[in-house]
Amino acid sequence: QVQLVQSGPEVKKPGASVKVSCKASGYSFSSYGITWVRQAPGQGLEWMGWISAYNGKTDYAQKFQGRVTMTTDTTTSTAYMDLRSLRSDDTAVYYCARDFRYYFDFWGRGTVVTVSS
Amino acid sequence: EIVLTQSPATLSLSPGERATLSCRASQSVGSSLAWYQQKPGQAPRLLINDASSRATGIPARFSGSGSGTDFTLTISSLEPEDFAVYYCQQRSNPITFGQGTRLEIK
Repeated sequence: QVQLVQSGPEVKKPGASVKVSCKASGYSFSSYGITWVRQAPGQGLEWMGWISAYNGKTDYAQKFQGRVTMTTDTTTSTAYMDLRSLRSDDTAVYYCARDFRYYFDFWGRGTVVTVSS
Repeated sequence: EIVLTQSPATLSLSPGERATLSCRASQSVGSSLAWYQQKPGQAPRLLINDASSRATGIPARFSGSGSGTDFTLTISSLEPEDFAVYYCQQRSNPITFGQGTRLEIK
C-alpha cells in the first residue's frame, strides 16, 4: 500500500533552517511528483510547491521562492523540503503528498515545525 | 491567483441529513477541482477529483458537481464519521485551497 512517512517534529529558532523528509513506499517513486503543503495552527491548507520525482523539476509558490528548496533521492524514494530563514509564522504542520495530476491522493501524517526563540 | 471561497464557513447538521457544501472560484477552473476531508490531527484525504470523480475507496454518499466557477460537494446521508472540515482545491498554478467548511454535529 502507498505510504509516505515523514520525519519527526522540529523546534527551530528564528533565522534557522529546517529540512523535512518524506519517505515513499508502495509505488513507483519516480512515476509521481511530490507536493508540499503546510497548515498553520487552526488555519487552512497552503500549497508550497511541487517536485517531479522523475527529473527533479520544481515549481515553488511565489511566496516561498528563494527560501525553499525541494529535492528527491530516487535511490531511497525520499523527498526533502528545506525551508530557510525561519520566522515565527512558519510554525505549522508540513505535509508531503503524492501528486496525481496536481491532485493529492496520498498524504504523509505531517511534521510539526515550531519556530520560537 | 485563483481564489476559492467556500460556504458556509460552518454547517450544523444531524446524522442522516443531507449536506451541501459550496466552493466558488474567482475565475473559471473548468472541471479542475478537488475536495478533501480533514479530521482533527489527521492529514487531508482526497474525496473527489475533476469536480465529480470519487477517489478510490470513497463511499458513494459523497458526490461532487459543478464546472467553471461554481462547485458543490454533497453528502447524501451523513454518517457520524463525516463530521470534519472540508476543503476544495484547484490545480492551476499556483495551486490554491478554499478556506474550509466545518461540518459539525447539530
